[in-house]
Amino acid sequence: EVQLVESGGGLVQSGGSLRLSCAASGFIFRNYAMSWVRQAPGKGLEWVSGISASGDITYYADSVKGRFTISRDNSKNTVYLQMNSLRAEDTAIYYCAKGARAFCSSTSCYLGDYWGQGTLVPVSS
Amino acid sequence: QSALTQPPSASGSPGQSVTISCTGTSSDVGGYDYVSWYQQHPGKAPKLIIYEVSKRPSGVPDRFSASKSGNTASLTVSGLQAEDEADYYCNSYAGSKWVFGGGTKLTVL
Repeated sequence: EVQLVESGGGLVQSGGSLRLSCAASGFIFRNYAMSWVRQAPGKGLEWVSGISASGDITYYADSVKGRFTISRDNSKNTVYLQMNSLRAEDTAIYYCAKGARAFCSSTSCYLGDYWGQGTLVPVSS
Repeated sequence: QSALTQPPSASGSPGQSVTISCTGTSSDVGGYDYVSWYQQHPGKAPKLIIYEVSKRPSGVPDRFSASKSGNTASLTVSGLQAEDEADYYCNSYAGSKWVFGGGTKLTVL
């Protein structure tokens, strides 16, 4: 059974930093791209960042580029999101999602077929 | 403002069909056959129900179907059931990034 468990969320002040983790199990982690998606309270979904299966290619939404860094440790089956210079508008539930074998290829292309339960990051101003 | 445009709400009675639209541009929906749809119940994580325009993951009922024409994708839910009441989001690949619609709240009357 595929499981994704996020952790690391919590209250942080504006300008501060936080590192989220997503521990994966139930599939061959090193073979799949991963993404982070967030949802502000009462709002819609926003893709934040993605990383290739090997970790050598990363992608970011314009809203977080230069402030957030995605990484993964395939030996620990874990993907991370380092968030710096946090702003009030970064307040959201952050979900990790298991993607296709490549971030997007002609073989298969989707953001996430399995999602974690999310971790809440409130940023106080 | 979301990159893809969805109606904020839709509704139908049990047994009826409802269609939700998702309009983008030639840089996302119209440029790739990589549109997905997600269902999200209150307080829950999103669930993939359609990927690559019209494919259903295993376990998703065939009451859910989808298509695309030009820059607009559509999700149809047939034979509406009470458990279909949820928020629905379209999502498209847009060249090294993903974009979402603003979401549609589906109410089963």
